[in-house]
Amino acid sequence: GAGVSQSPSNKVTEKGKDVELRCDPISGHTALYWYRQRLGQGLEFLIYFQGNSAPDKSGLPSDRFSAERTGESVSTLTIQRTQQEDSAVYLCASSADRVGDTQYFGPGTRLTVL
Amino acid sequence: AQRVTQPEKLLSVFKGAPVELKCNYSYSGSPELFWYVQYSRQRLQLLLRHISRESIKGFTADLNKGETSFHLKKPFAQEEDSAMYYCALGSYNFNKFYFGSGTKLNVKP
Repeated sequence: GAGVSQSPSNKVTEKGKDVELRCDPISGHTALYWYRQRLGQGLEFLIYFQGNSAPDKSGLPSDRFSAERTGESVSTLTIQRTQQEDSAVYLCASSADRVGDTQYFGPGTRLTVL
Repeated sequence: AQRVTQPEKLLSVFKGAPVELKCNYSYSGSPELFWYVQYSRQRLQLLLRHISRESIKGFTADLNKGETSFHLKKPFAQEEDSAMYYCALGSYNFNKFYFGSGTKLNVKP
C-alpha cells in the first residue's frame, strides 16, 4: 500500500520567504509527527497530532513555525520568514494510534535557505 | 528533561564480529524505548521496541532501568547491517518522541 508521502522533496528558498511543507500520512493513521534533522544531527521532535486533539506546539522552534492538520489527513508545516538556520531535512511520520506505535516515515523534504 | 544519548557517532567492526550500539536515556517516568534504522537510500524504519522483547535481523536490545540504558546488540555483524541506527524514547505523558543523534555502523568485509 501507499506509504507516507511528502512534498516537495527539495525546496530552495531565499531568506525571509515563507515555505509550506506537506505530509500525506498512511490512510487510517490517526497520529502524525513532524521532525527536523539538521546535517549530521539526530531527529528533533517538532509536533505531534493525534486525531482531532489540539497539538502541543511547545516543540516548535520559534513562532515562525506553525503546523496544521485537517482531521486525520494531510498536514502542512509552514515556516514564515525563513532563516538560514532553518535549512534541514523535515521528516514526517504517521502511526496507527498513540505516540509510541510504530512510526512510518516519509522520504523527507530537504529545505535549503539561501 | 527527557533525553536520549548515543555516545558513538561511528562504529566500525569487521564482518562476523560482535557489535553493541550504546544508548542511554533520562526520563522521569516509565519509558518506551525503540531502535530505528536507516539503510542507505531508504527511509527511516523501526528495527525493534523493548516491549516486544523480540530479535529482529539478529539484533536484540534489553532495557536496563538501573543503568537507564537500551543498548543494541548483535553477536555476529553482517555487511548488510551497515546503516544509521537511532535510539528513541516515547513519552506518553507529554505526547513527545525523542531521538538520539544516531550511530553509523560500518561493517567491513
